[in-house]
Amino acid sequence: DTEVTQTPKHLVMGMTNKKSLKCEQHMGHRAMYWYKQKAKKPPELMFVYSYEKLSINESVPSRFSPECPNSSLLNLHLHALQPEDSALYLCASSQVLTSGRETDTQYFGPGTRLTVL
Amino acid sequence: AQSVTQLGSHVSVSEGALVLLRCNYSSSVPPYLFWYVQYPNQGLQLLLKYTTGATLVKGINGFEAEFKKSETSFHLTKPSAHMSDAAEYFCAVSVINEKLTFGTGTRLTIIP
Repeated sequence: DTEVTQTPKHLVMGMTNKKSLKCEQHMGHRAMYWYKQKAKKPPELMFVYSYEKLSINESVPSRFSPECPNSSLLNLHLHALQPEDSALYLCASSQVLTSGRETDTQYFGPGTRLTVL
Repeated sequence: AQSVTQLGSHVSVSEGALVLLRCNYSSSVPPYLFWYVQYPNQGLQLLLKYTTGATLVKGINGFEAEFKKSETSFHLTKPSAHMSDAAEYFCAVSVINEKLTFGTGTRLTIIP
């Protein structure tokens, strides 16, 4: 089973709202990722968690706050977003190889389509 | 740092015709190479990957790709296009200690 699930599928929020995106995998992967994808563009990496610790933050604004409560779950907390943050948010997971290499095959979830009004 | 170039942002082929999507990469160390497909309003689905070993890799839905080190290429092919193949295709490369790098994508349209 190579399934990554994401909820909600769609989210509409105002600029003053606080909301959260949720991602779950049960493949035993110890690396999890958040990506942002704008229309007609490739995904852009936002955050990487390895063994539940934040290992990469690609200079993402603080209005995006990731959290990894356990090895199967990854959250993205949203606060005071801007309309330009509207995008498809993708979660992915992968094994962490013995070399410490995180970039083994990444499996993606279906995404959350976020609209900020 | 590694990079990926996908030649042709849009490719149109007739149903039943050969599909060829081009991908060239740049890397100073041996890369892992991937093709992902994205259907409208969906996430990315892994089509196939090359890590080590056999240079011709077969994936899902009848797709295959060949790693050619001398040409730094990893082109995706399918002998006979089907209407359900219409989607966005991303080539991606990763090397040790570096993040996954995507190409800009190729939109494949199938003409009935």
